[in-house]
Amino acid sequence: DGGITQSPKYLFRKEGQNVTLSCEQNLNHDAMYWYRQDPGQGLRLIYYSQIVNDFQKGDIAEGYSVSREKKESFPLTVTSAQKNPTAFYLCASSLPPAGVGGYTFGSGTRLTVV
Amino acid sequence: DQQVKQNSPSLSVQEGRISILNCDYTNSMFDYFLWYKKYPAEGPTFLISISSIKDKNEDGRFTVFLNKSAKHLSLHIVPSQPGDSAVYFCAASAGNQFYFGTGTSLTVIP
Repeated sequence: DGGITQSPKYLFRKEGQNVTLSCEQNLNHDAMYWYRQDPGQGLRLIYYSQIVNDFQKGDIAEGYSVSREKKESFPLTVTSAQKNPTAFYLCASSLPPAGVGGYTFGSGTRLTVV
Repeated sequence: DQQVKQNSPSLSVQEGRISILNCDYTNSMFDYFLWYKKYPAEGPTFLISISSIKDKNEDGRFTVFLNKSAKHLSLHIVPSQPGDSAVYFCAASAGNQFYFGTGTSLTVIP
């Protein structure tokens, strides 16, 4: 079955550490996205990539980094510069333009800073 | 600045009745609108969509209405079922990016 796989489902990080969230898709979608969900704030865009080896900052990119070396993979690194990293992170993919079919989302990773 | 707004954080409806979820947007360039349904600790799943050239789209129990002059979108669920209890996000796109509302938590009471 085609879909998006995010791992791990739960992740704990000590303050000052970097951590990488995995996102893999086998849908042959060109575009991939990372969103963050906080209570009462909906989904906010962190980074997106429309093609391999290219990506753009979203609304809240500070403290995060990404890479897009393969079409199937779009890992997100939460760096120690991110002041409030505890959140639910969602990865998505789409065939451009996204409006036609919308996004396909992964099941999410809940990151907690301890 | 929030381009897509869902002003009702929660809604409770009796089973069998109609659920109406509302969404407002500010950007007249949005050309596609979607509703997503989300259960706790899971990713959102696509529910129904509508293009800006239409004012209504129906899929089974779900109907989405678009009022472009008012920049308003609504989702009607008839009849509501307990399994519909979830958080519903509206989203609007201009190009390759979607903008999401803050969500409305729907509870359908048996």
